[in-house]
Amino acid sequence: GAGVSQSPSNKVTEKGKDVELRCDPISGHTALYWYRQSLGQGLEFLIYFQGNSAPDKSGLPSDRFSAERTGGSVSTLTIQRTQQEDSAVYLCASSLLTGLYEQYFGPGTRLTVT
Amino acid sequence: AQSVSQHNHHVILSEAASLELGCNYSYGGTVNLFWYVQYPGQHLQLLLKYFSGDPLVKGIKGFEAEFIKSKFSFNLRKPSVQWSDTAEYFCAVKDYGGSQGNLIFGKGTKLSVKP
Repeated sequence: GAGVSQSPSNKVTEKGKDVELRCDPISGHTALYWYRQSLGQGLEFLIYFQGNSAPDKSGLPSDRFSAERTGGSVSTLTIQRTQQEDSAVYLCASSLLTGLYEQYFGPGTRLTVT
Repeated sequence: AQSVSQHNHHVILSEAASLELGCNYSYGGTVNLFWYVQYPGQHLQLLLKYFSGDPLVKGIKGFEAEFIKSKFSFNLRKPSVQWSDTAEYFCAVKDYGGSQGNLIFGKGTKLSVKP
């Protein structure tokens, strides 16, 4: 079946602009995660959605970052007033539930802020 | 807060050499442990996972890892590497003491296998 998809695959934006990154999770997966992968820094957790529960936003680095998940499926990560330090690969993952379920990762969106 | 350390940033091996990549997490309690692999140009894939039971877990492509609770370690091993194992390897922990959802990743180890 189809895996996690993300769009765009690459995004170049000017400092100060807003960007939206999209994630389509695997059908039927109720949990959705956003991570950020910076060069040499591994993966940093950003936000997590589980079903209809309030999202866990504990990883968001600043109030310029927000995310929503509509209808329990597609998610959008929005970065307002982008800064150069926001340049990274943004990864989305989904899992059937939380707990003992594997997270499946998408290909990521490479964001470059000039 | 929980953290994960991967001791090697870049490992270079010749084909048929044995591999061991170190991974330590910072404190105990109930944890689930994972190794993910990212081949060049591809997305992250699960290599193996430990939830409970036998501390020696076997994954895909001949990889295995051993959970040693007393050492807070989950090292990845492969007896004989191939050129196709060239990739970046990430150790991750799910910590039930904190957020119930996310994984905590190490910074990754880049493996280069010379043919």
